[in-house]
Amino acid sequence: RKEVEQDPGPFNVPEGATVAFNCTYSNSASQSFFWYRQDCRKEPKLLMSVYSSGNEDGRFTAQLNRASQYISLLIRDSKLSDSATYLCVVIKETNAGKSTFGDGTTLTVKP
Amino acid sequence: DTEVTQTPKHLVMGMTNKKSLKCEQHMGHRAMYWYKQKAKKPPELMFVYSYEKLSINESVPSRFSPECPNSSLLNLHLHALQPEDSALYLCASSAIRDRLKEGYTFGSGTRLTVV
Repeated sequence: RKEVEQDPGPFNVPEGATVAFNCTYSNSASQSFFWYRQDCRKEPKLLMSVYSSGNEDGRFTAQLNRASQYISLLIRDSKLSDSATYLCVVIKETNAGKSTFGDGTTLTVKP
Repeated sequence: DTEVTQTPKHLVMGMTNKKSLKCEQHMGHRAMYWYKQKAKKPPELMFVYSYEKLSINESVPSRFSPECPNSSLLNLHLHALQPEDSALYLCASSAIRDRLKEGYTFGSGTRLTVV
């Protein structure tokens, strides 16, 4: 079993749709959780940190369920510019973090 | 503009060459990282430096040799690479401990081709 597993996708949705991505992790010692976005041939960019209380940034909502070892990302009112690969990242913290990336879920938003 | 700068952006090298990738950050971060990313795959952690000391080596072959001259700079020295080492090499930096929750900042990467 992979340490971090994501929905394989791809997701193809129309503009304005709501889409949800899920990610599970196997190491209960994991401490920090993130969603990154990566455009084709670009570097990953931080979309959101994920907290147990849940957090929202505009059209994006992230949730963490430590008991089920599960994180999610909800995108409302999808835009064409949301088309990208979304990477779930889990860190087991030492002094500096040892990160594990999920395989990524590709989202294509169509007109 | 990224706050983590990597040079060169592209590199083509022969299997007998020696080259170096460079990374610089001015974010005051005390942790720096090297990742390797193959096409359609996620980044894979190679090395972690914390306070300029190597803290994690993910069993990377010795033909890759990292160096952290100071808190702002990170190098990756390459020697006798194989064609399968062709990939995007990403540098990242982060704060440490409690501030690790702020996440990593990545450079734009060096696209390496080994011929």
